[in-house]
Amino acid sequence: AQTVTQSQPEMSVQEAETVTLSCTYDTSESDYYLFWYKQPPSRQMILVIRQEAYKQQNATENRFSVNFQKAAKSFSLKISDSQLGDAAMYFCAYRRDMNYGGATNKLIFGTGTLLAVQP
Amino acid sequence: GAVVSQHPSRVICKSGTSVKIECRSLDFQATTMFWYRQFPKKSLMLMATSNEGSKATYEQGVEKDKFLINHASLTLSTLTVTSAHPEDSSFYICSARAEGGDSYEQYFGPGTRLTVT
Repeated sequence: AQTVTQSQPEMSVQEAETVTLSCTYDTSESDYYLFWYKQPPSRQMILVIRQEAYKQQNATENRFSVNFQKAAKSFSLKISDSQLGDAAMYFCAYRRDMNYGGATNKLIFGTGTLLAVQP
Repeated sequence: GAVVSQHPSRVICKSGTSVKIECRSLDFQATTMFWYRQFPKKSLMLMATSNEGSKATYEQGVEKDKFLINHASLTLSTLTVTSAHPEDSSFYICSARAEGGDSYEQYFGPGTRLTVT
C-alpha cells in the first residue's frame, strides 16, 4: 500500500525568507501524481502545486516550487519570499495515475506540517 | 478553478437525531465525490468514495449504516449522519473530482462543522 510521510509536524519561517517542507512516499507504482495542498485557518483545502511522476522537471507555481526526487521517493515543497498569508497546514498527497482504473484512485495524505510565518 | 460548495457550513444537532450535509459541484460535473472527516490539527481521513448512480465505497472501519451517502446526480452528493452521537462531532469535508483532462483534478468544499450535543 502507498504511504505518505511528513516528518515535520511544525515549521516556522520569517517573513520574506525561504522554507522547505519535506515529504517522502512509498509506492511500487511507476505512474502517479504528487500534490501539495494548503489548509489555512478557514479549513478550505487549496491545491498549491502538482507534479506528474513521469515529468523530470520540477513543478513551479510562482513562489512555490518542488524538489521531486523519484528514485529517493522524495517530494519537498519550497516556499520562497514567505508571506503572512502562507501560514497554514500543508499536506503532501499521492494519487496513482487514473490509467490504473478502479476505485482506488484516491488521494493519500500525509499527516501535515503546520507552517507559522513570523513577521 | 472549479467550485465545490457544502451546506450547511455549521450545524448543531441533538444526540440521537440525524443530520444531512450537501456537497455540490457548481460549475462542473463530478462522477466521483469523496467524503472526509478531519479532527483538529489532523489529516483528512477518507470515509467513502461516492460514484454517481451507484453505491458508495466505504473505507475500512466506517459504518455505512451510520454514514449514509447518496450521489444522485453529477453535481450533488449528500452525507447523512444517522442517530448522531457526540463522538460524531467533527469537521466533514467533501471533494469532487472533475473527469477527464490531464490529471482528474480533485476540488474540495469548504467543510461542515458538526457538533452533536
